[in-house]
Amino acid sequence: ETGVTQSPTHLIKTRGQQVTLRCSSQSGHNTVSWYQQALGQGPQFIFQYYREEENGRGNFPPRFSGLQFPNYSSELNVNALELDDSALYLCASSAGWASGTSEGYEQYFGPGTRLTVT
Amino acid sequence: QQQVKQSPQSLIVQKGGISIINCAYENTAFDYFPWYQQFPGKGPALLIAIRPDVSEKKEGRFTISFNKSAKQFSLHIMDSQPGDSATYFCAASAINMDSNYQLIWGAGTKLIIKP
Repeated sequence: ETGVTQSPTHLIKTRGQQVTLRCSSQSGHNTVSWYQQALGQGPQFIFQYYREEENGRGNFPPRFSGLQFPNYSSELNVNALELDDSALYLCASSAGWASGTSEGYEQYFGPGTRLTVT
Repeated sequence: QQQVKQSPQSLIVQKGGISIINCAYENTAFDYFPWYQQFPGKGPALLIAIRPDVSEKKEGRFTISFNKSAKQFSLHIMDSQPGDSATYFCAASAINMDSNYQLIWGAGTKLIIKP
């Protein structure tokens, strides 16, 4: 069973640029959630995708957008980067609550992508 | 009402001792309470989780105690080891929140186990 993978590991961008981060979900998982974790803080929910549809969004502006593909992998896109976007971006996959089991709630995280905006 | 409050912010425990981290919540719709362990530069790893229909869950050296009436839950690490030194996060989720189950996170506790 393959775990959650993310790419790239690290990224340095300039303010105003655009960035795409990628995530491959764990085998058998159809739900992907994205979180932003600033240094020394807990993760903040960005949005969740379930079967290629956005299924909930946190308090993030529209310049944060995403996609989920038929194989359940996902992308996070951030336009017009700002200095405050510098953070660790985490992707988590889960079987989904529709699985009907408690295990559907369990979210498994990838190693994250460290984004630095200068 | 969406917050999860975690304490202490940092904790130093002697090797072999018991580490205790506490969390409190307000939203009674929360129905899933996981704990995550995170090492520097890594993603959070799911340690143990509990649903509100039980008051305690144990997995190895890790135990969650859950008090539904007080809206509190805690993580106990028995026989704490230097390898347990990490940041621990509690979280909560409710399936009815916008039909998804985003995790609401505590601020984290930095645990240091002294040899």
